[in-house]
Amino acid sequence: EPEVTQTPSHQVTQMGQEVILRCVPISNHLYFYWYRQILGQKVEFLVSFYNNEISEKSEIFDDQFSVERPDGSNFTLKIRSTKLEDSAMYFCASRKLAGGGETQYFGPGTRLLVL
Amino acid sequence: AQKVTQAQTEISVVEKEDVTLDCVYETRDTTYYLFWYKQPPSGELVFLIRRNSFDEQNEISGRYSWNFQKSTSSFNFTITASQVVDSAVYFCALSENSGAGSYQLTFGKGTKLSVIP
Repeated sequence: EPEVTQTPSHQVTQMGQEVILRCVPISNHLYFYWYRQILGQKVEFLVSFYNNEISEKSEIFDDQFSVERPDGSNFTLKIRSTKLEDSAMYFCASRKLAGGGETQYFGPGTRLLVL
Repeated sequence: AQKVTQAQTEISVVEKEDVTLDCVYETRDTTYYLFWYKQPPSGELVFLIRRNSFDEQNEISGRYSWNFQKSTSSFNFTITASQVVDSAVYFCALSENSGAGSYQLTFGKGTKLSVIP
C-alpha cells in the first residue's frame, strides 16, 4: 500500500542553522501539507500546497519557513534559521483530490531538535 | 475558542474494559469532515476514520465504533474490550473549507489512553 515517507527520521541542529525536511507524498496525490507537533502538545497546521504553490498557511509559518516541490516526487520544508522553539515533530501529509472529502495520510514524521 | 475539544486528557482502563473518548467540535460550515487518528508511542499518526457532515450513521469496525451526533456537535469514539495495543494518544480532528480549498485539519489536544494488563 502506498505511503508517505519522510527523511530524516531525526535531525539535531544548532540554533541559527538551516534545515531541510524532506517528504515523498503518495504518488497520485495532489494536496500536500506540513504540520508540526511540539512534544506533548497537539498537532498544528503549518502550510498546504497545491498546484505548485502555497494554498494556505498558518501564523506559525512565518518568513523563516518555506516549502518547495523541486521535482515530481519530493516536497520539502525549509527552516532558514532555526530557533529553540522550532524543536518539534514535523509531519508531512498528502491528500488525493482537491475537494474536502478525502483523507489526509501522514508520514512517520521528522523529529527536529534545535540546540 | 477551540474548534475541537477533547476534554479527557488522560484515561486509564484495565484490559477488556470498554472506553469512550469524547470529541466536541465547533464549526459554522454545513459541510465539514471529522476524523480520528491514533498516535502510538512510536509517534506516527494512523488514520482511523473519516465522517462527513451529511452522514450521521454510526460506524463499527471490529472493536471500534464511532457515534456522530450533529445535534450535540460530538463525534465520540468507543473501544470495546480494550487491549494493551490500544494504548496511544487519540486525536479527533475537523476539516472544513477555509476558503482556499485547503481543508487543513484542526486537531484536538488528544486523549492519552493507557490500557493496563
